[in-house]
Amino acid sequence: IAGITQAPTSQILAAGRRMTLRCTQDMRHNAMYWYRQDLGLGLRLIHYSNTAGTTGKGEVPDGYSVSRANTDDFPLTLASAVPSQTSVYFCASSDRESGGWSEQFFGPGTRLTVL
Amino acid sequence: GQNIDQPTEMTATEGAIVQINCTYQTSGFNGLFWYQQHAGEAPTFLSYNVLDGLEEKGRFSSFLSRSKGYSYLLLKELQMKDSASYLCAVKDSNYQLIWGAGTKLIIKP
Repeated sequence: IAGITQAPTSQILAAGRRMTLRCTQDMRHNAMYWYRQDLGLGLRLIHYSNTAGTTGKGEVPDGYSVSRANTDDFPLTLASAVPSQTSVYFCASSDRESGGWSEQFFGPGTRLTVL
Repeated sequence: GQNIDQPTEMTATEGAIVQINCTYQTSGFNGLFWYQQHAGEAPTFLSYNVLDGLEEKGRFSSFLSRSKGYSYLLLKELQMKDSASYLCAVKDSNYQLIWGAGTKLIIKP
């Protein structure tokens, strides 16, 4: 079934630990995104990638890094987790259309708690 | 700065009609999206407006006025399954989506 998968579904992490959230899509979309969603706030873009081999910073990139070695995978790494990174993380992808990008398709999310 | 405003919460009755408003101020405009998000789930795409006017899709319609920086989502014949959050997002000049905080819609029998 075409779509986006994320792993893990949820995770409790000690502060200071390193963590990688995985994201894989099989729709051959060019662009991929990482968002965090916190209560009362809109989705906030962490990092994005418009095509394999390129990445860019979003609104809240500090403390996070990404890589895009191929079209399908877009992992998000927290080098040293802090409690303020407790959130729900969504990975999304979209295809390029004339004049810009089409709608974004979202993965099921990863609920991360940093203690 | 960029800003998307939506009401935090709305309540409506099953079978009725509800209108969820969204106003925006962004650096550039390349379209407006509405997404639905059920509690604990991922957002799913509902509608897209890039030109002024009304887009109808079954029970859902979305309206855009670019000169007013305004959109609304109209939901007709409300069903209990429509209880969800509705997210407004604007594609800015860099083709990135700027998201509102969402409107939680509560449907009562």
